[in-house]
Amino acid sequence: QSVLTQPPSVSGAPGQRVTISCTGSSSNIGAGYDVHWYQQLPGIAPKLLIFGNSNRPSGVPDRFSGSKSGTSGSLAITGLQAEDEADYYCQSYDSSLSAYVVFGGGTKLTVL
Amino acid sequence: QVHLVQSGAEVKKPGASVKVSCKASGYTFITYGINWVRQAPGQGLEWLGSISAYNGYTNYAQKFQGRVTMTTDTSTSTAYMELRSLTSDDTAVYYCARQILGTTGFDYWGQGTLVTVSS
Repeated sequence: QSVLTQPPSVSGAPGQRVTISCTGSSSNIGAGYDVHWYQQLPGIAPKLLIFGNSNRPSGVPDRFSGSKSGTSGSLAITGLQAEDEADYYCQSYDSSLSAYVVFGGGTKLTVL
Repeated sequence: QVHLVQSGAEVKKPGASVKVSCKASGYTFITYGINWVRQAPGQGLEWLGSISAYNGYTNYAQKFQGRVTMTTDTSTSTAYMELRSLTSDDTAVYYCARQILGTTGFDYWGQGTLVTVSS
């Protein structure tokens, strides 16, 4: 089991809005640590989508947005496009002894 | 522009060690930390640890303590990750990633190195 919990899959039609949740605990997201989001296309290294909860790197479309509240983070994608079909991972920092950097299990986004 | 270029695929026997390199370019190497993340076939991302390219300070995930060593060579802007006592469970793509200044995310990733452990 991953320290951060994501839904295994989400889907939406082109043009729609989807959200992906990332639930942590008091030792990671709830402790105030940042949430980051990555997009991974098959066979390719992950790409940074959102850092510091809600910041987009240059080049990432504003269709992608992030937020954080309590022990959870969330990624929203509006105006869904076929090219958005990919795996999405959240990541944070954990103050426990087992690992400092923790990832969610990943969410497969299917564009219908 | 920033690039992280990793060494090529490796095939190792159980019990052996592997050393993966990650050569950085396009930025001042010692300014940023390098993290190592792996992904087993069909699985999610797993963090192995990090190293400061400035002073060599390391943080390893408890799961890999005693089995992993991360180093850097500032003269060639290259980071290395060595994993020992390999088992079939270590078969994965290993990525290096640059840590964003001031936070814990990763902004640039290497292309990945497939390590296959098989007898």
